[in-house]
Formats: sequence, C-alpha cells, structure tokens
Amino acid sequence: GAGVSQSPSNKVTEKGKDVELRCDPISGHTALYWYRQSLGQGLEFLIYFQGNSAPDKSGLPSDRFSAERTGGSVSTLTIQRTQQEDSAVYLCASSLGLAGARGELFFGEGSRLTVL
Amino acid sequence: AQTVTQSQPEMSVQEAETVTLSCTYDTSENNYYLFWYKQPPSRQMILVIRQEAYKQQNATENRFSVNFQKAAKSFSLKISDSQLGDTAMYFCASFSGNTGKLIFGQGTTLQVKP
Repeated sequence: GAGVSQSPSNKVTEKGKDVELRCDPISGHTALYWYRQSLGQGLEFLIYFQGNSAPDKSGLPSDRFSAERTGGSVSTLTIQRTQQEDSAVYLCASSLGLAGARGELFFGEGSRLTVL
Repeated sequence: AQTVTQSQPEMSVQEAETVTLSCTYDTSENNYYLFWYKQPPSRQMILVIRQEAYKQQNATENRFSVNFQKAAKSFSLKISDSQLGDTAMYFCASFSGNTGKLIFGQGTTLQVKP
C-alpha cells in the first residue's frame, strides 16, 4: 500500500502479557515516529527514528517499553508486562527526512491496545 | 527541550462564527516549525496550517489563520466562518528543524454547533 500501515489494528491482552505493535512506513521514508494517545487525550511522544542515527527514546514512559527499526524500514514497538494504564491507541508516522518541517508527515490508523 | 501546551481541553462555537484555539510552546532552538493538526473522529491526522519560526508573517489557509507571537512563544489558531465539518480535536505541534523531532500538545476538542 501507499500509506503507513500499522498492525494489529486492535489488540486485547491480559495484564502482564507482552505485546508487539508493528509499523510499516512509506517506502523510502527515513523518519519514523511513535506516539501514544489515551482516550480523548493528546499525542504523547514515545520514540523517533531518523535514518541511521541513534533513536530519540526520551518519550518512552518506562523500561517496559522498547522499539526497534530493522533495516531502516519496519518498526516494532514492544510493551512488556502490560499494565492497564498502557491501554491507548499507538500511532505511527513517517516522513521523508526532515520533510516533516513542511508538515509532510504521514500517519497510520493506529493500533488500539486494551489491557484487561 | 521542546514542549507544547494547550490549555483549552474543550471549546464550542456556533456555525459561521469565529473561534480561536490557544497554544504556547517552548524550545531552545532557532530552527523550528509550528503546526496545527486536526484529528476528526476517524482518527486520521490532517495538517491544517504550518508556520516557519523565521517568518514574521502569520500563515493563513483559507478560513484558518494563526497569530504567531514569537517572543511570547504563542501560536494560536483562528477558525473563521466555522463549519460543522470543523468539529474535531485540534493539536498544536512543534517540529525541530535540527533533529526532526515533532512534539504535540494535549489537544483541544472543538465542537461546532448548528
């Protein structure tokens, strides 16, 4: 597809389980962002990848959260030992280098995580 | 560090009237850009308007305009002739031209009433 693809679109899990959320950015986009949006809330920055540079992990809320980006393309956000407060929509976005400066940021439809 | 603050969680406006959404930000950089994004119930993020920090002139896009006060680090969005389709959550955002990091505010839910 031509857009940013995220999977799964919905995930229900039990407290304490690990989950993996996947983001497939637009081909050729070097910048990839993860955000978390709790119900009716703003977009909380989690992590940012830009090319081969070290990722900016400053937004990860705890060491239960990690993300990687393999081959400069697909990214996986992993949440270990999930807690109920992790329930949210996780949004991924990508852009071509610093084209985000022009607002050319493309968002996926998000992965809705529910932790029971 | 970049921060963006939106102090109005919810606002409403009558159709055809004008509404202003507030945003303040903080950054230590000189090379940055500011945006307003719209998120309708479909959850898809839509760019409404952008402003280069080095430009003094306020950006306008049809019914949307901004009031960029650089010294005060304020970046408000004015929506004129509000339409029902403007009902959405609006996010103010700051983009670092040096690192490419994009930070959003908490959002303002706008309801346009008929």
